[in-house]
Amino acid sequence: AQSVAQPEDQVNVAEGNPLTVKCTYSVSGNPYLFWYVQYPNRGLQFLLKYITGDNLVKGSYGFEAEFNKSQTSFHLKKPSALVSDSALYFCAVRALSSGSARQLTFGSGTQLTVLP
Amino acid sequence: ETGVTQTPRHLVMGMTNKKSLKCEQHLGHNAMYWYKQSAKKPLELMFVYSLEERVENNSVPSRFSPECPNSSHLFLHLHTLQPEDSALYLCASSQDRGYSYEQFFGPGTRLTVL
Repeated sequence: AQSVAQPEDQVNVAEGNPLTVKCTYSVSGNPYLFWYVQYPNRGLQFLLKYITGDNLVKGSYGFEAEFNKSQTSFHLKKPSALVSDSALYFCAVRALSSGSARQLTFGSGTQLTVLP
Repeated sequence: ETGVTQTPRHLVMGMTNKKSLKCEQHLGHNAMYWYKQSAKKPLELMFVYSLEERVENNSVPSRFSPECPNSSHLFLHLHTLQPEDSALYLCASSQDRGYSYEQFFGPGTRLTVL
């Protein structure tokens, strides 16, 4: 079985400061990893993914994430936070070799608040 | 969110009503999904359709009935729901080939069961 943990329900950061939203995963074999963002009253919006290759993945709106296989982590980062980044962030995983090929497992979400 | 549309955006229904949620994807994808999002809970995958065939049904009560008439449309038929079914229902689609497994979500239908 695959699982995702987002250990922080809430992250607060001052505008202009770097931000990190944490994610760890458990999966059999190599993982596909994803980050999504959800703004109020909206669906989830794809930010970035890691499939293979460079451990540092760059995505939309200046976000990036670092894949760390030894720590089974895929933390989301941004060098300088904006107030408009305030939203709910979800990490998701699926196994590369998953027989249930289409199932993504999502974390419980982390509410990011960027303070002006 | 563009590319996957859902109607209605809001729905209030009584426990004895029958209603349907509609999802349409304009991305040419071959798989579609229904998720339930409740407050303080992880997203719950309800149903998966691939090439219009249901490939997953995650122990969802029979009062939820999906329908996928073609690869672009997905419905969720609702009947005799319970108040605990109140949630945001999200539709998603993806193209399951190569490395393109990311799912694209619609804006959701906010369902309230009285």
